[in-house]
Amino acid sequence: GAGVSQSPSNKVTEKGKDVELRCDPISGHTALYWYRQSLGQGLEFLIYFQGNSAPDKSGLPSDRFSAERTGGSVSTLTIQRTQQEDSAVYLCASSLASLVIEQYFGPGTRLTVT
Amino acid sequence: DQQVKQNSPSLSVQEGRISILNCDYTNSMFDYFLWYKKYPAEGPTFLISISSIKDKNEDGRFTVFLNKSAKHLSLHIVPSQPGDSAVYFCAARPPGANSKLTFGKGITLSVRP
Repeated sequence: GAGVSQSPSNKVTEKGKDVELRCDPISGHTALYWYRQSLGQGLEFLIYFQGNSAPDKSGLPSDRFSAERTGGSVSTLTIQRTQQEDSAVYLCASSLASLVIEQYFGPGTRLTVT
Repeated sequence: DQQVKQNSPSLSVQEGRISILNCDYTNSMFDYFLWYKKYPAEGPTFLISISSIKDKNEDGRFTVFLNKSAKHLSLHIVPSQPGDSAVYFCAARPPGANSKLTFGKGITLSVRP
């Protein structure tokens, strides 16, 4: 079956521009997570969606970051007025439910802000 | 404030020998610990997990040991194979409905043929 997919795989943008990153979770998975991995760092939690509940946005680093999940499936992470420190690999993961331990990750989007 | 620490950035092991990857944590409330494996240009892949009420979990060549008093866990791979060469992340989950994971920085394992 299809795993988690993300697009684009690579994105180069100029400082100050907005970017949108997309995640298609595994069909039927109700929980969706966004993480990012900066160079030399571990994965950093950004935001979490579970069904129709209000998302947990506690990991978003600034108000330039936002995310939505439409119809309980596809999610979009938007970064406004990108900065160089936003350069990282952005990873999306999904799991069958929030209490399920295993999260399935997509291949990530490598964002480079020049 | 890093709650999950992988203090060794890399490890090199001969094929057939044991690989021991270490991880330390500071939050005693974590109730699950996980290991993920990551190849270049791919997302992390779940490897093995352990509940905080256990001290050992084994799955084939992979065994995870948990020492709660020391807030330390380790992943043992035996025998190590060249295909095991990857970055290994230790992750921890606090109790509750939100399963957001806290990850360490990862350790790069190289298995020499």
